[in-house]
Amino acid sequence: DQQVKQNSPSLSVQEGRISILNCDYTNSMFDYFLWYKKYPAEGPTFLISISSIKDKNEDGRFTVFLNKSAKHLSLHIVPSQPGDSAVYFCAASPSWGGYQKVTFGTGTKLQVIP
Amino acid sequence: NAGVMQNPRHLVRRRGQEARLRCSPMKGHSHVYWYRQLPEEGLKFMVYLQKENIIDESGMPKERFSAEFPKEGPSILRIQQVVRGDSAAYFCASSPEGGHQFFGPGTRLTVL
Repeated sequence: DQQVKQNSPSLSVQEGRISILNCDYTNSMFDYFLWYKKYPAEGPTFLISISSIKDKNEDGRFTVFLNKSAKHLSLHIVPSQPGDSAVYFCAASPSWGGYQKVTFGTGTKLQVIP
Repeated sequence: NAGVMQNPRHLVRRRGQEARLRCSPMKGHSHVYWYRQLPEEGLKFMVYLQKENIIDESGMPKERFSAEFPKEGPSILRIQQVVRGDSAAYFCASSPEGGHQFFGPGTRLTVL
């Protein structure tokens, strides 16, 4: 049972344009959402997060939007750069602080074309 | 401050052998998590440990797999009598109390 779904396995975007990565979840107990970025042969790196009490969180070129009623979140990267090419994992947790049992999606491979 | 260290980076075992994967958390981190990533899949939670205690092992197969995080030394994920289906990337993460998880580079296990 895939509780966190990333339905687009890959995405290609021109440099300078916006990249939008989508994520859906099914477990209404999830309260905290994260995006990780992963380069080949490396571990995932934390990128940005959002609590369920917010609908938007911004950090530089990265913005995460959360629509709790639709159980949907998205990551916007503006402007996209070639160095952003990586696999992006959406993840969710039922709580924040202390023990975080994080459930990951299957990932979206982003390619930013120069 | 060194990041999360995992070794070996690559491990090849024949069916029936044992695999031992090591994880040294970041300095000051008392929480360790192990994940497995099968090809074309996301990371799947296996086990969560604090020093000398297994807190949640709900994602770990009931047989052949075990994990520990001793008072001194790294956390160890042990797979006995490996089978081809165990071939995967195994990632360790650590976190401070109430903080984000920082991941290691992973160990790629290949079972021949």
